[in-house]
Amino acid sequence: QVQLVQSGAEVKKPGASVKVSCHTSGYMFTAYAIHWVRQAPGQRPEWMGWINGANGNTKYSESFQGRVTFTRDSSATTAYMELNSLTSADTSVFYCARGSGTGWYLDYWGQGSLVIVSS
Amino acid sequence: DIQMTQSPPSLAASVGDRVTITCRASQDIRSSLAWYQQKPGKAPKLLVFHTSRLDSGVPSRFSGSGSGTDYTLTVTSLQPEDFATYYCQQYSSTPLTFGQGTKVQVK
Repeated sequence: QVQLVQSGAEVKKPGASVKVSCHTSGYMFTAYAIHWVRQAPGQRPEWMGWINGANGNTKYSESFQGRVTFTRDSSATTAYMELNSLTSADTSVFYCARGSGTGWYLDYWGQGSLVIVSS
Repeated sequence: DIQMTQSPPSLAASVGDRVTITCRASQDIRSSLAWYQQKPGKAPKLLVFHTSRLDSGVPSRFSGSGSGTDYTLTVTSLQPEDFATYYCQQYSSTPLTFGQGTKVQVK
């Protein structure tokens, strides 16, 4: 079965960076994109962008452009999201999700990684 | 960016009720609409894609419809496990955007 398992919760200081991992299994990693979605407490999900599992090409939301980097290790079927220059406004749950092969909807999600930014 | 507006923001219903949630896009999204269900502390779960196609394993009491800018999610005969927050998401163009959510609560 398709599974996406994310790294654990992190507490960071303002100005720091965080790197979240998303280990996938149960499907051909290179056949699908991995999307990243941020959800602040009590807010709607916010799309951050995606990385192509096959070639590593990326598409970032303008809201995060310049501050976020997606990478992947296809041999380890794992995707990574690194967010820099953290502020308290970044305190959120970050999700990875598989992009469907037939459209940019998200058919399988990781369990989420809580990132708390606090001095 | 395409703005997605859901209504109502919340509703109170009883088991067995019929519930309808609407989602309006700021421009034509050509049926590129998905619905997700989210329970507290959990990731969103895909229910519907391409406006009306149920994801595998989703009960048939859920249905989606719409076109152009206006879409609906209907739950016939609400079950106890259906109390949750529902989000629409457009995937007609990037950035992908979500509605603000509709929380379905117990009356």
